[in-house]
Amino acid sequence: NSKVIQTPRYLVKGQGQKAKMRCIPEKGHPVVFWYQQNKNNEFKFLINFQNQEVLQQIDMTEKRFSAECPSNSPCSLEIQSSEAGDSALYLCASSLSGYAEQFFGPGTRLTVL
Amino acid sequence: AEKVIQVWSTASRQEGEELTLDCSYETSQVLYHLFWYKHLLSGEMVFLIRQTSSSTAKERSGRYSVVFQKSLKSISLIISALQPDDSGKYFCALWELVMSNYNVLYFGSGTKLTVEP
Repeated sequence: NSKVIQTPRYLVKGQGQKAKMRCIPEKGHPVVFWYQQNKNNEFKFLINFQNQEVLQQIDMTEKRFSAECPSNSPCSLEIQSSEAGDSALYLCASSLSGYAEQFFGPGTRLTVL
Repeated sequence: AEKVIQVWSTASRQEGEELTLDCSYETSQVLYHLFWYKHLLSGEMVFLIRQTSSSTAKERSGRYSVVFQKSLKSISLIISALQPDDSGKYFCALWELVMSNYNVLYFGSGTKLTVEP
């Protein structure tokens, strides 16, 4: 079973508010991924890290999202100014390497009112 | 174009039966991995099984096995002896090796399985 921890499980924000979620990857996993799963079950990759460094991120993440994976602290994903379209399940996954299976956390369900 | 296609959005079986979930994918890479995940109602994505493109072995993990038809770019997940707890949404995912970069998983749209007792 996965030991990726995500908090909070549920998050409700108003439009324009900041929304921050955290992820503790499985112990020993240096690679962390963030995905957005919308109500149509479509997965969108947002950003990934190896240790503390960003490896890849999409444009949306560069502009309105900020993310970090500091050493000895949880990884975090923050939406600077929430929009209704950001309502989704945000999944964090970790893996031993970029090509190993990814283990997912339970997700943070964000609702933007 | 979608890289991973799961044609069936829903499936229903009786307890004890066997089920095959189909998935097709598109890639031009030589090396890639295919994964099956189960998405629980809690939101958790549970890793089930992996198939590497270079492997001819028939991957198996407990009641899960796959049928990998590389030339057809198809991978099916077979779940034997179905139990009600197998109910959930099953996702097929593709990982490609592109110039040694760390890459991401491309997910299909999922198949929701209901197992009746």
